[in-house]
This record gives sequence, structure tokens and C-alpha cells, in this order.
Amino acid sequence: EVQLLESGGGFVQPGGSLRLSCAASGFTFSSYNMNWVRQAPGKGLEWVSVISGSGYSISYADSLKGRFTISRDNSKNTLYLQMNSLRVEDTAVYYCAKESTGDRMFDYWGQGTLVTVSS
Amino acid sequence: QLVLTQSPSASASLGASVKLTCTLSSGHSSSAIAWHQQQPEKGPRYLMKLHSDGSHSKGDGIPDRFSGSSSGAERYLTISSLQSEDEADYYCQTWGTGIRVFGGGTKLTVL
Repeated sequence: EVQLLESGGGFVQPGGSLRLSCAASGFTFSSYNMNWVRQAPGKGLEWVSVISGSGYSISYADSLKGRFTISRDNSKNTLYLQMNSLRVEDTAVYYCAKESTGDRMFDYWGQGTLVTVSS
Repeated sequence: QLVLTQSPSASASLGASVKLTCTLSSGHSSSAIAWHQQQPEKGPRYLMKLHSDGSHSKGDGIPDRFSGSSSGAERYLTISSLQSEDEADYYCQTWGTGIRVFGGGTKLTVL
């Protein structure tokens, strides 16, 4: 059974940093692209970033470039999101999502971790 | 620019059927999409992948009440025999070069 478990969310002041983790199990982690998606309170889903199975190919949403860094440790079956220079508008639930083989559709989601940026 | 357009809301009665629409932007009418369901206070759940020819493959455990179809740039999600637990937000999703894209979501109310 595929499981994705996010952690690392919490309360942080504007300008601060936070690192999210997503522990994966139930599939060969290194074989799949992984994504971060966020959802601000009362809003829709917003794609954040994707990383290839090897970790060599990475893309970010244009609005986030330079502040967020996605990475993965295939030996630990874990996906990360390092978030720096956090803003109030980064307040959201952050989900990790696995992509299916051969296309870029998200076929499994985690339960999310809440990040609150406030002074 | 790759954009997915969804109506903000829809409603239908318990036991009835409803058809939700996701429209691909110009130049992307042959793209496949995925449909995801998000029940209140829960994370999203993958429903199905839907191709331009209407063929679709569903995720694990998705009931037969959920089906997909396509026409031109439009992708549809039909839910039949509506149940109370179908009241949720529904998102379509696709991808482009180096990006992943979501529609704005449709909030389905079961009356």
C-alpha cells in the first residue's frame, strides 16, 4: 500500500525558514517523480515543485523560484521541501504527491502538513 | 499558456447524476488530465486519468459510479447515483513542460 506522510509543518514568523519532509512507503521511491502541492486556507490546489526519481531534474512554480528548494533522499525514501524567506501568503497546507508511471498525473497524495506564517 | 478552467460550483440531488467539466486552454485540446476529489477537511484523492479520446483509468478503489468522457478541449467527470459522501471539491490536473497545472476546482453540493 502506497503511503505518503508529511511532517515538519508549524508556525513560523515572516522571513523565517522551515523544512518539510514526506516519508514514502509501499513503492519503489527512486523510480517516481515526486511533487509538492499547497493549498492556502479556503483556496484551491497550487502546484509548487517537482523532482525526478533520480533527483537530477527539478522544476518550480514561477512564483516560488529562489525561495523554495525541493530535494530527495532515495536511501531514506524521503522527499523534502526547504522553504526560506517565508511570507504570510505561504500559509497553506502542503501536500506531497507521487506521479504515476509514464505521465505526470498525481496518483497518490499525502494527508498534508500545515504551515502558518504569521507575526 | 496552459490553463484548466472549471466552474466554481455545481449541485445535484441525492441519487441523481452530475457532470463536471474541465476545459483545456487553446492549443492543448489533445492533453490528458487527471481528476481528483477532495472531501471536506481531507487531502486530495486521485480519481482517474482521462484521455482526449475519452478512455480513462481509475485509481484504486474508485467506485463504478465515477466515469470520465471527453469532447474536444473539454474533459468531463460524471458521478451517478450521488451519495452524500460525494459532496466535495473536484480538481482537474494536467502537465506541461516543467510545470503541473490544476484547475480552480468545482465545489459539488449534494442536495
